[in-house]
Amino acid sequence: EAQVTQNPRYLITVTGKKLTVTCSQNMNHEYMSWYRQDPGLGLRQIYYSMNVEVTDKGDVPEGYKVSRKEKRNFPLILESPSPNQTSLYFCASSYGTSGIGEQFFGPGTRLTVL
Amino acid sequence: GENVEQHPSTLSVQEGDSAVIKCTYSDSASNYFPWYKQELGKRPQLIIDIRSNVGEKKDQRIAVTLNKTAKHFSLHITETQPEDSAVYFCAASRVDGGSQGNLIFGKGTKLSVKP
Repeated sequence: EAQVTQNPRYLITVTGKKLTVTCSQNMNHEYMSWYRQDPGLGLRQIYYSMNVEVTDKGDVPEGYKVSRKEKRNFPLILESPSPNQTSLYFCASSYGTSGIGEQFFGPGTRLTVL
Repeated sequence: GENVEQHPSTLSVQEGDSAVIKCTYSDSASNYFPWYKQELGKRPQLIIDIRSNVGEKKDQRIAVTLNKTAKHFSLHITETQPEDSAVYFCAASRVDGGSQGNLIFGKGTKLSVKP
């Protein structure tokens, strides 16, 4: 089944404790992206990647890191999480390198930073 | 950078009526405009998209119109049904150079369709 998977789906952590949210897609998509969703603010892009080893900042990259060592995986790293990073996170992928065309979203990861 | 404004933030209609959601964008170089639907507790899903070389696109009960001069685009849903109840997001992207791949979303419209 073609899909985007994220792990973990739910995470409660404490300020400053490094964490990684994994994202994997099995559709051979070139483009992958991370978004955070907060009430009243919609979806905001954190980072995106147009291909292996190519990443770029979105609108809200501060406090996050990403890497794209393989086409299928695009982990999101929070080196020192803070409470303002409490949010619902979505990973997405799409076929083209530009992000044009349908973005397939993962199920989301709900992160709480205490 | 690009900024996308979406209105209204909430919209309530009677079943069978039409619903219209409007978005404006700031970057005249934006050339791709998708619309996503997010049902409660679920992930966003693309429902329709339009590129800047087209003024209108239709898919059954949904249509999107684009006015490049005024820099706005709209989602039209006709004959609304209760299952259309969801949050709808518009988005804009500039693909030709510059911030290629940076998709900017509006803040969303919560549509409620009353039976």
